[in-house]
Amino acid sequence: KAGVTQTPRYLIKTRGQQVTLSCSPISGHRSVSWYQQTPGQGLQFLFEYFSETQRNKGNFPGRFSGRQFSNSRSEMNVSTLELGDSALYLCASSSDRVGNTEAFFGQGTRLTVV
Amino acid sequence: GENVEQHPSTLSVQEGDSAVIKCTYSDSASNYFPWYKQELGKRPQLIIDIRSNVGEKKDQRIAVTLNKTAKHFSLHITETQPEDSAVYFCAASLNDDKIIFGKGTRLHILP
Repeated sequence: KAGVTQTPRYLIKTRGQQVTLSCSPISGHRSVSWYQQTPGQGLQFLFEYFSETQRNKGNFPGRFSGRQFSNSRSEMNVSTLELGDSALYLCASSSDRVGNTEAFFGQGTRLTVV
Repeated sequence: GENVEQHPSTLSVQEGDSAVIKCTYSDSASNYFPWYKQELGKRPQLIIDIRSNVGEKKDQRIAVTLNKTAKHFSLHITETQPEDSAVYFCAASLNDDKIIFGKGTRLHILP
């Protein structure tokens, strides 16, 4: 069974641009969560999608948005990029509610904003 | 909302000794507590989890304890080995749709 796949693995963008990251969950998983990982801040929850609906959202500004498609693949968009958005963005999929079952992480997309 | 505090941020132990990482959570209704290990350059992976109806769970050299009254839980690694060197994250969930992670503990196993 293929694991969680995130594309691209690396991105370099300039301030003010926007970026879209993609996450393909494990086949059969309907829940996809997104996290921002930075040194010293750990894994910060962005949002979670289940069956194309956003079920929960973290404390990030509205520049961060996401969506989920009918095949459970999810995208995350960040608009008007700031230097502080440089981070590793991880998505995780789970078979059911992410707070109740094991979450499987992708390799992440490392975003650098210059 | 839920808040998870994790200590220490860095821990160095001699190979063969035990390591203990402690976490506290704020929402007394949280009922699922997973621990993830992230090796350098790799993705986080679940190593053990515990639910609120259990006080302790063990899997070989790894054990987790939960004190619901005090709202804290701990990870214990015995007979540490070089491959235990990694960043460990605790987390708590209210059985809903998000997991809140601690900031991580970087564990160094010294030869």
